[in-house]
Amino acid sequence: GAVVSQHPSWVICKSGTSVKIECRSLDFQATTMFWYRQFPKQSLMLMATSNEGSKATYEQGVEKDKFLINHASLTLSTLTVTSAHPEDSSFYICSASGETNTGELFFGEGSRLTVL
Amino acid sequence: GNSVTQMEGPVTLSEEAFLTINCTYTATGYPSLFWYVQYPGEGLQLLLKATKADDKGSNKGFEATYRKETTSFHLEKGSVQVSDSAVYFCALRGNQGGKLIFGQGTELSVKP
Repeated sequence: GAVVSQHPSWVICKSGTSVKIECRSLDFQATTMFWYRQFPKQSLMLMATSNEGSKATYEQGVEKDKFLINHASLTLSTLTVTSAHPEDSSFYICSASGETNTGELFFGEGSRLTVL
Repeated sequence: GNSVTQMEGPVTLSEEAFLTINCTYTATGYPSLFWYVQYPGEGLQLLLKATKADDKGSNKGFEATYRKETTSFHLEKGSVQVSDSAVYFCALRGNQGGKLIFGQGTELSVKP
């Protein structure tokens, strides 16, 4: 089946620094990628939708200057948390949709960010 | 807009018990329906899916039937195992593609 890989799987950083998380589709071309955020014991909250070569579409309430999303190729999307603060600590999960829309999304393993 | 509602957890069962996790949805058109499973500290894995009314998705002993008349997609398993302990998410995606809408998740704990 389709594989989506995220890196890093966990990261600890100091407050005020920026952190980049990568999401790669390993065996298919992902025309659309989605970034989710998950708090402990809660569901996934969609942050933004990115299409290759165009600007990401952010959900209401998500700061686009805070969470920079780049989808420069059909196999790579990146999420950069800029000037991270402790409240940005969370589990970030990406998912990808292939060219053939079978409906399902393929999810990465998730990246746990801890901001000190 | 589209939405998904799941029964609240946590659900605690003994091994070999019967499992039902209720899921109902609100959507326009004919969405695709999914169940995803999340094991502790991991991402989501697709468990099963159904793309049209009356379809039954099944995998690893789990089943769910797309019921348009009741707008439901309840997850069932006849005999759960300890290894089934996880959080289960019901989700839908519109027939035009686009974003996946999740339910709130139901935590399942299976005791030996």
